[in-house]
Amino acid sequence: QSALTQPASVSGSPGQSITISCTGTSSDIGFYNLVSWYQQHPGKAPRLMISEVYERPSGVSIRFSGSKSGNTASLTISGLQPDDEANYYCCSYADSGTLLFGGGTKLTVL
Amino acid sequence: EVQLVQSGGGLVQPGGSLRLSCTASGFSVSAHYMTWVRQAPGKGLEWVSAIYDDGSAYYAEFVKGRFTISRDNSKNTLYLQMTSLRVEDTAVFYCTKVARNWPLDYWGQGALVTVSS
Repeated sequence: QSALTQPASVSGSPGQSITISCTGTSSDIGFYNLVSWYQQHPGKAPRLMISEVYERPSGVSIRFSGSKSGNTASLTISGLQPDDEANYYCCSYADSGTLLFGGGTKLTVL
Repeated sequence: EVQLVQSGGGLVQPGGSLRLSCTASGFSVSAHYMTWVRQAPGKGLEWVSAIYDDGSAYYAEFVKGRFTISRDNSKNTLYLQMTSLRVEDTAVFYCTKVARNWPLDYWGQGALVTVSS
């Protein structure tokens, strides 16, 4: 199974909104509503931001939202803040106990 | 409070072996799915292995036959035994707890494994 496809980088100014896409196949994202998103600051462990496509764990800002259409999931961050600058990874369950990650997207807050 | 504390990383020669440990607090590893995820230097996250609450184990193709995931319920600790290590296995390895429907809700601090001669 191949990794999920994410754009290498996105950028936005403070206060703006950005969307990161994550494309898989009909065997992973398209089949399961088991997409999660992670934020990783340099040198730190990843942090869960979105689970099950659009669920926000306790403590995660409402500025973070998730969605899915067909084989593509998306993470939207509204009201960009400087601390949102990080790498973001999507992840999908892909059958038989396996997980697939996207290649990661570097978000730059201009 | 849920915590995952890792140990066991280090430098190993190609072909060598290493065991990573991940000691949990605030929950029982035996009652949850657990995974190992790795990150090569400057690269993205890559799923390595998972163990279910019933003990079933699953592996990424690139580690099948070389890595073994296990747990010691009495020590509330997850392990990853790595053998036949390759230079390309060099990475930070994270242990994670898996919540219902597969989000990785808690992560260890990471352990660097360097495979080099």
